[in-house]
Amino acid sequence: DADVTQTPRNRITKTGKRIMLECSQTKGHDRMYWYRQDPGLGLRLIYYSFDVKDINKGEISDGYSVSRQAQAKFSLSLESAIPNQTALYFCATSDGGGGTLNQPQHFGDGTRLSIL
Amino acid sequence: AQSVSQHNHHVILSEAASLELGCNYSYGGTVNLFWYVQYPGQHLQLLLKYFSGDPLVKGIKGFEAEFIKSKFSFNLRKPSVQWSDTAEYFCAVIPRGSQGNLIFGKGTKLSVKP
Repeated sequence: DADVTQTPRNRITKTGKRIMLECSQTKGHDRMYWYRQDPGLGLRLIYYSFDVKDINKGEISDGYSVSRQAQAKFSLSLESAIPNQTALYFCATSDGGGGTLNQPQHFGDGTRLSIL
Repeated sequence: AQSVSQHNHHVILSEAASLELGCNYSYGGTVNLFWYVQYPGQHLQLLLKYFSGDPLVKGIKGFEAEFIKSKFSFNLRKPSVQWSDTAEYFCAVIPRGSQGNLIFGKGTKLSVKP
């Protein structure tokens, strides 16, 4: 079983729809992240959470919101999807407690989102 | 603002050729450095990391990277590439000890011809 699971894997939807992407992890990590990947732009950070009560905006948070429902779950929402949010979205986790700052991130398989 | 530059957008090599992918970062303090690989249709996987110690770091699948502090560089190398190395490679940095996050380069796509 994957350590970081994203659902759905693929989604096609229409402009204006509300969409939720879900991420769950079995690694026991405190930190979770949402990125989007666009060709030629690499990965850009949307939101991140260092624990259940901590939510922070990343580089490109406009048009997105998140919810950290539990240590193991971190969901990303697009309240009103627009075509330029078409991208590949990745969830990631890392261990950040106990003096283990800056540990490598572990990525899910991604969600390919297309907004028509 | 901190940034990571990967010099080549797309590199095409024949099998058995040697590989070097450039990575430079802009941050004056101490950093932790990472290379990730993304095979076609897959998620990012950690290839290697540098935190401290020997600046020549060995990773999985025969890859290595050298940290040169004076040049703010962390170039990825492999003596002899294989067709299965076809993937996109991302360099990433994070200021050591910070509460900050990974800063990724834009990636270098490697195509290896059989």
